[in-house]
Amino acid sequence: GAVVSQHPSRVICKSGTSVKIECRSLDFQATTMFWYRQFPKQSLMLMATSNEGSKATYEQGVEKDKFLINHASLTLSTLTVTSAHPEDSSFYICSARVGTGQGETEAFFGQGTRLTVV
Amino acid sequence: LAKTTQPISMDSYEGQEVNITCSHNNIATNDYITWYQQFPSQGPRFIIQGYKTKVTNEVASLFIPADRKSSTLSLPRVSLSDTAVYYCLVASLYSSASKIIFGSGTRLSIRP
Repeated sequence: GAVVSQHPSRVICKSGTSVKIECRSLDFQATTMFWYRQFPKQSLMLMATSNEGSKATYEQGVEKDKFLINHASLTLSTLTVTSAHPEDSSFYICSARVGTGQGETEAFFGQGTRLTVV
Repeated sequence: LAKTTQPISMDSYEGQEVNITCSHNNIATNDYITWYQQFPSQGPRFIIQGYKTKVTNEVASLFIPADRKSSTLSLPRVSLSDTAVYYCLVASLYSSASKIIFGSGTRLSIRP
């Protein structure tokens, strides 16, 4: 199946700094990608929808100025956590959907990025 | 967006068949039902997907009744490596921009 790759898989940063997470679709083009956040023992929470060439759509309660999303090409979306604080420590996962060629789409998820803010 | 309801947790033993049922009373006509598996510190992994009746692949079966208000994931002869969280998702597959919202998932624990 299609592959969605995230980088880095783990990152530790100091409080107040910014961290960028990359999400790439390796063998398909993705006009739309999704960013999720997952805290320990909890489900994935949708943060935003990343749209190629336009502004991201954020879910209610997600600060757009804190979580900057850029979808500059059909294979790359980036999530930047600005002025990170310890409460931003979480597991961040991206997803992209690809057409099956039969009118349907299938969702693929990246391996996730573990962010720890110290 | 259809909301899904699953048991929070389930326990079973190696070699047993495990059935996890998901309720989705507000499923729309264009919605498909998809199940994902997630191990700790990994992204969700696709297991199976269906629209109605029964779907089977090499790892699982998916049973969907005629009213489509629920679905059951069946894992035959589970092993310790099947210990994971299983998510039932309902979403339209016809739009790549259609959001996928996760429910609470079912934490499956397999014992020797």
